[in-house]
Amino acid sequence: NAGVTQTPKFQVLKTGQSMTLQCAQDMNHNSMYWYRQDPGMGLRLIYYSASEGTTDKGEVPNGYNVSRLNKREFSLRLESAAPSQTSVYFCASRVEHYEQYFGPGTRLTVT
Amino acid sequence: DQQVKQNSPSLSVQEGRISILNCDYTNSMFDYFLWYKKYPAEGPTFLISISSIKDKNEDGRFTVFLNKSAKHLSLHIVPSQPGDSAVYFCAAHLRGGGSNYKLTFGKGTLLTVNP
Repeated sequence: NAGVTQTPKFQVLKTGQSMTLQCAQDMNHNSMYWYRQDPGMGLRLIYYSASEGTTDKGEVPNGYNVSRLNKREFSLRLESAAPSQTSVYFCASRVEHYEQYFGPGTRLTVT
Repeated sequence: DQQVKQNSPSLSVQEGRISILNCDYTNSMFDYFLWYKKYPAEGPTFLISISSIKDKNEDGRFTVFLNKSAKHLSLHIVPSQPGDSAVYFCAAHLRGGGSNYKLTFGKGTLLTVNP
């Protein structure tokens, strides 16, 4: 099992460009999550998907969209990147009870 | 308004001693708490958890204590090892969230264990 995989690992964008961060899990989990981590800010929830076909906003959804393509995949899209979206992005899926299993992260820089 | 607070950005301890990481919360509706450990350039990994109906949970060198009246939990690591050096996040689940199982995270505490 690969667990939770994220692509790309690193990305540099110019302001206004768009991109999609990919996340996939092979553990047959229902719930998936996207977080961003900024220095001194901890992990903040952007969007989540409680099950295939459903998505909901988290704490900081502005500037992002998501797609739960199927049970395995949950992608995060930046339509028009801004410097404030420079961050490390983590995807996670729920293991059992309340425990979440995290991917390795995507480090995004917007110039 | 931050509902899960880790007021110490960093903590430094000697190898072999006890590390105590603290977490405070403001919402009495939190019913489950978790600790995650994060190394640089890696994703957070689950460490230990505790339900609000308990006051202590132990797993090897790691023990989490919950004081509901004070809305405070702590993670004890005994004995501390250099490999424990990482950022530790406290997280909490809000009762009544249905099937979303969302977690609220603190800002993290950087633990450095010196040999």
